[in-house]
Amino acid sequence: DIQMTQSPSSLSASVGDRVTISCQASQDITNYLNWYQQKPGKAPKLLIYGASNLVTGVPSRFSGSRSGTDFTFTISSLQPEDIATYYCQQYDDLPLYTFGQGTKLEI
Amino acid sequence: QLQLQESGPGLVKPSETLSLMCTVSGGSISSNSYFWGWIRQPPGKGLEWIGSIYYAGRTYYNPSLKSRVTISVDTSKNQFSLKLSSVTAADTAVYYCARHFVGVPENWFDPWGQGTLVTVSS
Repeated sequence: DIQMTQSPSSLSASVGDRVTISCQASQDITNYLNWYQQKPGKAPKLLIYGASNLVTGVPSRFSGSRSGTDFTFTISSLQPEDIATYYCQQYDDLPLYTFGQGTKLEI
Repeated sequence: QLQLQESGPGLVKPSETLSLMCTVSGGSISSNSYFWGWIRQPPGKGLEWIGSIYYAGRTYYNPSLKSRVTISVDTSKNQFSLKLSSVTAADTAVYYCARHFVGVPENWFDPWGQGTLVTVSS
């Protein structure tokens, strides 16, 4: 099975900060990675698919990139409404879909 | 706008079967390219995919749960369901249903239902 290692597990930042979250796959998954946002008490929401494609309607301050088996999720300028837990999810090891452990973002 | 809503008992006894329903509104469950999935989240923990089903009945299950899981679909009611047998306290979680797009190179879960908490306890 492909293991996804997400870091950090928690992160505190200030409004306006640039925030980055990492997700490392245990083997090559090409670009087969998504990022989700889960606000407290709510269901997850898809933000980025295929490593770097922004879902329509999602603010452009969110972005994703890939370098080998390392994936990065970035918020260019943190806003108060971005407080949430963020998860990566791989879809290369089908039919098993696995999520990272999550990163709790606080202000 | 597509919406999903989970329903079912919030309390299940150990060794019994957990049964949940997901009702899809604002779109057809018989859409091409879309599967329909179940994902769960134990309190304070991360997300675990349980399985997905296509409207024609094709299913994929998480190997770690496969022996206990059955997902079925009722296209006439625009619903799909989850059954998880022989539950233990470790199955206590918020259960989400979600639309599951399966394509190449895209494959994602969105939107999700609001989730329903199922507690396993005697």
